[in-house]
Amino acid sequence: NAGVMQNPRHLVRRRGQEARLRCSPMKGHSHVYWYRQLPEEGLKFMVYLQKENIIDESGMPKERFSAEFPKEGPSILRIQQVVRGDSAAYFCASSPHEADMNTEAFFGQGTRLTVV
Amino acid sequence: SQKIEQNSEALNIQEGKTATLTCNYTNYSPAYLQWYRQDPGRGPVFLLLIRENEKEKRKERLKVTFDTTLKQSLFHITASQPADSATYLCALLTGGGNKLTFGTGTQLKVEL
Repeated sequence: NAGVMQNPRHLVRRRGQEARLRCSPMKGHSHVYWYRQLPEEGLKFMVYLQKENIIDESGMPKERFSAEFPKEGPSILRIQQVVRGDSAAYFCASSPHEADMNTEAFFGQGTRLTVV
Repeated sequence: SQKIEQNSEALNIQEGKTATLTCNYTNYSPAYLQWYRQDPGRGPVFLLLIRENEKEKRKERLKVTFDTTLKQSLFHITASQPADSATYLCALLTGGGNKLTFGTGTQLKVEL
């Protein structure tokens, strides 16, 4: 059973470009969470999704950021018109269903976005 | 405001000693508290969960305590080894159970 898969592991974008980060949850997991980690800072919650639904996006910046988790395929975190301040590690976590966020979260290895 | 605070200074200890890391929180009433380990360039890995009605939880060389009156959790690694060197994160379940909110982590370095 493969773990949470994120790709790419490293992504370099010029200012103004779009960044697309992908997350395939563990098999059987229908809940996906995205976190951002800035250098020397903790993990910051961004968004919680179930298949085809955004449940909690309270940590998402209001502009330029969007997330989806379609019925088929991976969850996508999209950042439009990237700026240098978007440079960070973005982590995805999954759980089988909502109640199991009370047990443990399984994290991917992250995508390190660098905006030049 | 709500805060989860961990020692920002790195903790250096000698191999074989017990490492103790602290997590303090304010303005939360968590039902659960979790500890994770994060190595450089890697995602966090779950270690232990402790519930509000549990005072202590053990797993091999790890021990976690949870004092809801003090709003504090202590994380202990006994007989520490260089391989235990990593950043340790505490996390609370918040937002009606929708998300884990993390502390900034404490870096532990175990020296020979």
